[in-house]
Amino acid sequence: GAGVSQSPSNKVTEKGKDVELRCDPISGHTALYWYRQSLGQGLEFLIYFQGNSAPDKSGLPSDRFSAERTGGSVSTLTIQRTQQEDSAVYLCASSRRAGEKLFFGSGTQLSVL
Amino acid sequence: GQQVMQIPQYQHVQEGEDFTTYCNSSTTLSNIQWYKQRPGGHPVFLIQLVKSGEVKKQKRLTFQFGEAKKNSSLHITATQTTDVGTYFCAVTSGANNLFFGTGTRLTVIP
Repeated sequence: GAGVSQSPSNKVTEKGKDVELRCDPISGHTALYWYRQSLGQGLEFLIYFQGNSAPDKSGLPSDRFSAERTGGSVSTLTIQRTQQEDSAVYLCASSRRAGEKLFFGSGTQLSVL
Repeated sequence: GQQVMQIPQYQHVQEGEDFTTYCNSSTTLSNIQWYKQRPGGHPVFLIQLVKSGEVKKQKRLTFQFGEAKKNSSLHITATQTTDVGTYFCAVTSGANNLFFGTGTRLTVIP
């Protein structure tokens, strides 16, 4: 596609349930990033994929969070046993190469009840 | 991760006034990027600065990178209501990961 696509755009779940968030980066972009943004706050880094290298997982807040990127393209962020504090907008971004400008998706608004 | 401070956190200006946001790091940066996020939107890339002392302009926006490559600023001349949003700086770590500053939320009063 022409831009970074994220799905779903909105997700409402119950506390304790697992959720999967999907990101389709721009075709050919080797770097992919996940960020979390709470209402009115900044962008909290979660995880970074670059080509075939091992991902930088240093931003994942707990072991309930995991992410994978299959075939160097689509990425899935999984949150297990969701908690209310996980409620936020989850933003995915990609760049053609590491260190270049990021193109963001429109995000997934996650609400944990 | 990389630590970068951004000030001010909020800024309210009358339309037509100037606006500046600053980004400061305790370590030397390889480069710095600036993004704008409109209310309800996602961050959009504005510019990247790489060279020490670099100054770049985009219409009413002026971006500067400090001589020591530890700080940067974004200045908007004669703000307009379309400038409303949050402005973020972003810096790379050694692994080309990108960390965002805390952002400056700009409100323009018509």
